[in-house]
Order: sequence, then structure tokens, then C-alpha cells
Amino acid sequence: AQKITQTQPGMFVQEKEAVTLDCTYDTSDPSYGLFWYKQPSSGEMIFLIYQGSYDQQNATEGRYSLNFQKARKSANLVISASQLGDSAMYFCAMREGRGNNDMRFGAGTRLTVKP
Amino acid sequence: KAGVTQTPRYLIKTRGQQVTLSCSPISGHRSVSWYQQTPGQGLQFLFEYFSETQRNKGNFPGRFSGRQFSNSRSEMNVSTLELGDSALYLCASSLEGDRGQKAFFGQGTRLTVV
Repeated sequence: AQKITQTQPGMFVQEKEAVTLDCTYDTSDPSYGLFWYKQPSSGEMIFLIYQGSYDQQNATEGRYSLNFQKARKSANLVISASQLGDSAMYFCAMREGRGNNDMRFGAGTRLTVKP
Repeated sequence: KAGVTQTPRYLIKTRGQQVTLSCSPISGHRSVSWYQQTPGQGLQFLFEYFSETQRNKGNFPGRFSGRQFSNSRSEMNVSTLELGDSALYLCASSLEGDRGQKAFFGQGTRLTVV
């Protein structure tokens, strides 16, 4: 069974600095996708970034990048130049196989950006 | 392009009642998934529908059911509500064939059972 682990319940970062949110996963399927979502207090889950298990390069989307270390089964999210609006819950998720399986989520990390 | 729309945003129900939540996916998305989010259990997968058929199902009792219509809109129903059903219910749609089949979520329906 697939499992996602986020070991940091809460993180603090100073505005304009970079922060890394950790995520490790466990799967025996060679084909899988990894996702990061942001959930502000409003409740909506906002898609941030995607990494496929066969992707050779780390994914990047603006200020977000994914540090994908396949052998270690880790997929850490790096947010550069933090902004106050980045304060939210962040969830790591994984979907196994070719996309017809459900997405499983980690417990989340609450990020607080300090001015 | 409009996002995923969930209605209603908030609901208060009494134990024993039933409730129906609605989700309209992004235009062109035929896959709709439902999740329950609680502080204790986190995000848990309920079920997924594709082309009016349930394709995947999570580990929830039969009181939780859903359906999908020909226009891809989906509803989920919870019968005989219990206090523990209080949660944020999130709906997500995805595009078949999209790389990774990214899920796009609505704002959720916050259900309170009293």
C-alpha cells in the first residue's frame, strides 16, 4: 500500500527566504506521480507542482521546485523568496500507476511566513 | 475557464438525517473524485467517478454513496448522519490523459452534524 509521510507538522520561515518542506513516500509501483498542494484557510486545495517517477529533471513552477530523490523516495518542496501569502497548509500526495488510481495525501505541514 | 464548483459551501444537519453534496467539474473533465478531510484523519479518499461509473472506492461505510451524471456533474450522499461525519468534503476533477492526471479541487463543503 502506498504511504506518504510529512514529518514537519509546522514550519516557520522569514519573508523573502527559501524554505523546504519534506515528503517521503513508499510504493512498489515503478510508475507513479507526486504532487504538492497548498490549502489556505479558505479550504480550497490549490495544485502547485507535479513530478512523474520517470521524469529525469526536477519539476519547477515559478517559485516552487520539487527536489526529487528517487532512490531515497523523497519529494521535497522548495519555496523560494517566501511571501506572506504563502502561509498555509501544504500537502504532498501520490498517485500510483497510469492515473486511474486514487490520490493519497500526507498529513500536511503548516507553513507560517513571518514578516 | 471556470474551476470546480461545490455547493453548498456550508451545511448544518442533525444526526440521523441525510445530506446531498454537489460538484460541477471543470469543463471537459470527466473524472470526479471525492475526499473527506477531518483534523484527526486528514484527507481520505471516498470514491472516484468516470463517465458515470464508479471507478475507485475508498474504505468508507455504505452510508456514503455517490453518482455522476452524463454532464460529469457529481453528487455524493451521506445517509443516517453521525457526529463523526462532520468534515470538509472536497471534490476534485481531472482530465483523462493529462500528464499525471492532476486533480483540481473545489472550495469544499463544510458539513457540521449536530
